[in-house]
Amino acid sequence: GAVVSQHPSRVICKSGTSVKIECRSLDFQATTMFWYRQFPKQSLMLMATSNEGSKATYEQGVEKDKFLINHASLTLSTLTVTSAHPEDSSFYICSAGPGTGASTDTQYFGPGTRLTVL
Amino acid sequence: GENVEQHPSTLSVQEGDSAVIKCTYSDSASNYFPWYKQELGKRPQLIIDIRSNVGEKKDQRIAVTLNKTAKHFSLHITETQPEDSAVYFCAASWGNQFYFGTGTSLTVIP
Repeated sequence: GAVVSQHPSRVICKSGTSVKIECRSLDFQATTMFWYRQFPKQSLMLMATSNEGSKATYEQGVEKDKFLINHASLTLSTLTVTSAHPEDSSFYICSAGPGTGASTDTQYFGPGTRLTVL
Repeated sequence: GENVEQHPSTLSVQEGDSAVIKCTYSDSASNYFPWYKQELGKRPQLIIDIRSNVGEKKDQRIAVTLNKTAKHFSLHITETQPEDSAVYFCAASWGNQFYFGTGTSLTVIP
């Protein structure tokens, strides 16, 4: 139980385009989902906290107009990178939890999305 | 807010030896402390966790200890194996807020 999926796993796009990443909790409901960015050999950098039915809470330094987050249901949150530039290239990971139906109170991570902006 | 510090950032041990990773936290309200293992290119996976009402928890070769008074907790891996090589993250949590440490890259030398 407590599986989180993320789609797509890998995306390459041209500079200036927008990219949407989906994060789904498959077998539990998560009122809260988190979006992280991870650079090679570095820690998870929290970008924003996404709460179902309300606006996301962004961490300091993260542009809310550039990284649009929508949490429309208890099992789905999306991150849209708008007008992507090469410096946005990174590994984006979502996590979900705590939630109902999960076996513990921890966070469960998606497999990540490798974004490359040319 | 919470501040989680993790040490060391890199750790190399010989196969069969023990490895210890330490974390400190600042917010006394934190009451849940999970540890995650992340292999290269993969998602972080929960390996063990501990709650504030417990001082120690063990699961086969891994164990976690918690000192609430000093606000620190540690991960202990005994009889290390090459497959233990990965990045390990600690976290401190209260409610739905999770704060992660900066990670420890563990290398087990065969």
